[in-house]
Amino acid sequence: DQQVKQNSPSLSVQEGRISILNCDYTNSMFDYFLWYKKYPAEGPTFLISISSIKDKNEDGRFTVFLNKSAKHLSLHIVPSQPGDSAVYFCAASRAGNQFYFGTGTSLTVIP
Amino acid sequence: NAGVMQNPRHLVRRRGQEARLRCSPMKGHSHVYWYRQLPEEGLKFMVYLQKENIIDESGMPKERFSAEFPKEGPSILRIQQVVRGDSAAYFCASSPQGQGYGYTFGSGTRLTVV
Repeated sequence: DQQVKQNSPSLSVQEGRISILNCDYTNSMFDYFLWYKKYPAEGPTFLISISSIKDKNEDGRFTVFLNKSAKHLSLHIVPSQPGDSAVYFCAASRAGNQFYFGTGTSLTVIP
Repeated sequence: NAGVMQNPRHLVRRRGQEARLRCSPMKGHSHVYWYRQLPEEGLKFMVYLQKENIIDESGMPKERFSAEFPKEGPSILRIQQVVRGDSAAYFCASSPQGQGYGYTFGSGTRLTVV
């Protein structure tokens, strides 16, 4: 029962261009969403979050968009940099302590 | 201020042995969460603990798995009589408050059952 889905296992983008990573969820009760970035052999690191009362949150080069009616969120990285190459996980929670993670999207930024 | 510390980083066990994974949360964090990542899958919630209490263990397999977070010392995830299917990366995370906050993850313990 995958409540959070990332349907693109991988994405390649040229340096300087925009990277768009997508995430869909099925539980309309989710009200808090996060993106994590993970390098090989390391734990996930928090990147950016958004609560359901907003539809956009921006932090530097990273912007997360939330479309509640479509149960869809996306992470935009602009401009993309080679150091952004990593696996990105989206996660969702219902104001609680258990987060449901997607299966991740591996981003490669090509210099 | 050290982050979430997990040890060992790598653990090899033969089938039938016990595996003990340790997690020390960040200083000041009293909420600990364990997640498991199987190959080619995302992170799956296992258990949420506060000091001396299990708050939510809905993701824990019913048998062979247990977790504790004693008053003193690290949180321990114990897997008894390991099987090959237990091979995975086990991540611990901590937070200062339980509700609606993101976590800080440790670097994980990679368990290999041979």
